[in-house]
Amino acid sequence: AQSVTQLGSHVSVSEGALVLLRCNYSSSVPPYLFWYVQYPNQGLQLLLKYTSAATLVKGINGFEAEFKKSETSFHLTKPSAHMSDAAEYFCAVRYRGSTLGRLYFGRGTQLTVWP
Amino acid sequence: DSGVTQTPKHLITATGQRVTLRCSPRSGDLSVYWYQQSLDQGLQFLIQYYNGEERAKGNILERFSAQQFPDLHSELNLSSLELGDSALYFCASTDGRGGNTGELFFGEGSRLTVL
Repeated sequence: AQSVTQLGSHVSVSEGALVLLRCNYSSSVPPYLFWYVQYPNQGLQLLLKYTSAATLVKGINGFEAEFKKSETSFHLTKPSAHMSDAAEYFCAVRYRGSTLGRLYFGRGTQLTVWP
Repeated sequence: DSGVTQTPKHLITATGQRVTLRCSPRSGDLSVYWYQQSLDQGLQFLIQYYNGEERAKGNILERFSAQQFPDLHSELNLSSLELGDSALYFCASTDGRGGNTGELFFGEGSRLTVL
């Protein structure tokens, strides 16, 4: 079965600390990968995406993610957390060869940033 | 602003009732997706339309239906509502043409509360 797993439903960091949010996918063929962020009472906003160009992808707000085929992972990082980063983060995949375009989402990780 | 517009933003209704949620996709986007977000189920794909035709069905209940109109806006109809239908319903769009590496653009959602 194809799936996306986000390890840790809640992550807490201090302001200025490294942010690491984990995402693993299950697929024999590397999919297209996305990270979205959801702020309270808002919709989902794209942070970054991997579509088989560079394996290290830079996104908005200082976030980046690295695609590692050997680990079937696409973890999201930010060197220094800011209070404004507090939100819920979703990893999503779209499987290659799919003409339907739907995204499969992980369960999300709630990021809390302490002052 | 993603360019995807959803109405209403909030809706409170009673069990057994019927509601209609409306979505206007980004200008030029042919593909519309509906997702349900709840605490226990996370983000669940409901249904996809492309240029007026249903393309894919996910975990959509028989009490729910959707359509996409010639002007490309879409409506999600929820009937015989139950308490468990309380959730945030998102609409997303993408142009749907050519390759499928593009992200989905999400509206801000319609929050349905069933009492």
